[in-house]
Amino acid sequence: NAGVMQNPRHLVRRRGQEARLRCSPMKGHSHVYWYRQLPEEGLKFMVYLQKENIIDESGMPKERFSAEFPKEGPSILRIQQVVRGDSAAYFCASSNPGEQYFGPGTRLTVT
Amino acid sequence: QQQVKQSPQSLIVQKGGIPIINCAYENTAFDYFPWYQQFPGKGPALLIAIRPDVSEKKEGRFTISFNKSAKQFSLHIMDSQPGDSATYFCAAKGALSGNTGKLIFGQGTTLQVKP
Repeated sequence: NAGVMQNPRHLVRRRGQEARLRCSPMKGHSHVYWYRQLPEEGLKFMVYLQKENIIDESGMPKERFSAEFPKEGPSILRIQQVVRGDSAAYFCASSNPGEQYFGPGTRLTVT
Repeated sequence: QQQVKQSPQSLIVQKGGIPIINCAYENTAFDYFPWYQQFPGKGPALLIAIRPDVSEKKEGRFTISFNKSAKQFSLHIMDSQPGDSATYFCAAKGALSGNTGKLIFGQGTTLQVKP
């Protein structure tokens, strides 16, 4: 039973570049949540998606950030024109719904 | 109103001790309170969870105590072991308007269990 998969595990981008983070939910799960964890802080909710729909994006910054969960394929969190403040660990979690199971995260470093 | 406040920020105990981590919330619409354990470089893993209709829940060496009137809940780790050294997060979710199941996390507690 594969758990939640995220890739890449580590991503380095220069300021101004784009970052694409991918999340494959657990088999049978159709709900995906994205959270961001800044150094020495707890996780902050960003966005909640179901297949082909954004349900709640109340935690997403208004600019540069977008998310999708297409009918086929993984969920994508996209950050355009990255800045140093975007450096963080980004976790996705999936559910069916109910319990949320987290992936190992993508650690984004902006240089 | 959607905050969950967690304390202490860090905790050091000897092997066999009983570390206690506390969380407090304000929003009475929360109805599900999980605890997550996170090791360095890993994602959070669900440890134990409770709903407000019970005051205590035990799973192995982990116990949640829940005080609905005080809007507080805590995690106790019995007979702690060095392998329990990790960061622990409390969280909450519930029937807020437009409930979407998103988790509201506490700030985390870094636990070190000394051999």
